[in-house]
Amino acid sequence: GEDVEQSLFLSVREGDSSVINCTYTDSSSTYLYWYKQEPGAGLQLLTYIFSNMDMKQDQRLTVLLNKKDKHLSLRIADTQTGDSAIYFCAEKKAGTALIFGKGTTLSVSS
Amino acid sequence: NAGVTQTPKFQVLKTGQSMTLQCAQDMNHNSMYWYRQDPGMGLRLIYYSASEGTTDKGEVPNGYNVSRLNKREFSLRLESAAPSQTSVYFCASSVLRDRRYSNQPQHFGDGTRLSIL
Repeated sequence: GEDVEQSLFLSVREGDSSVINCTYTDSSSTYLYWYKQEPGAGLQLLTYIFSNMDMKQDQRLTVLLNKKDKHLSLRIADTQTGDSAIYFCAEKKAGTALIFGKGTTLSVSS
Repeated sequence: NAGVTQTPKFQVLKTGQSMTLQCAQDMNHNSMYWYRQDPGMGLRLIYYSASEGTTDKGEVPNGYNVSRLNKREFSLRLESAAPSQTSVYFCASSVLRDRRYSNQPQHFGDGTRLSIL
């Protein structure tokens, strides 16, 4: 496909794990990113993964990359109410700036 | 650490008015970008500047002009504002030197919320 695709909404309970999925467009993309946007604020880089890796862990965040299926996921362990935000997947292809998905709104209830 | 600073944070314009959005970064980054964010559309690239003195069109450049004033500053101008340009505008920067490659992600400002009546 031509677009980076993400599901629009995800709702979880506090303490559960959240998994946000993304399908990107180009298997030759070099870097894949996850950004977080809190209400009224700009984007904040959460983590990124290089295309020769299949997993990256950073504290409560785990990124999984399946290059064959062009699938990227972000798992947030022990989700907290402060994790409520919009999460954007983005890919870096050769010759272009970052291409963003439309964002997944994560809602965490206590 | 200021990072990427955008001014103004909010602005209301009338159709046909002109406006320049300012952006400055203090990280000595080579590349700077302007995006717009609309509900349900994600972020779309308007223009970018890979290095001082160069600018290139992004996905949605029509109705906008940019100036890379120096390494720190990258401004976005609306010559004749239209209601379709109501959006949140984000400036970003990165150390990218060659747009084919990147090992540094982009850093974003907090946005300018622009309404055109």
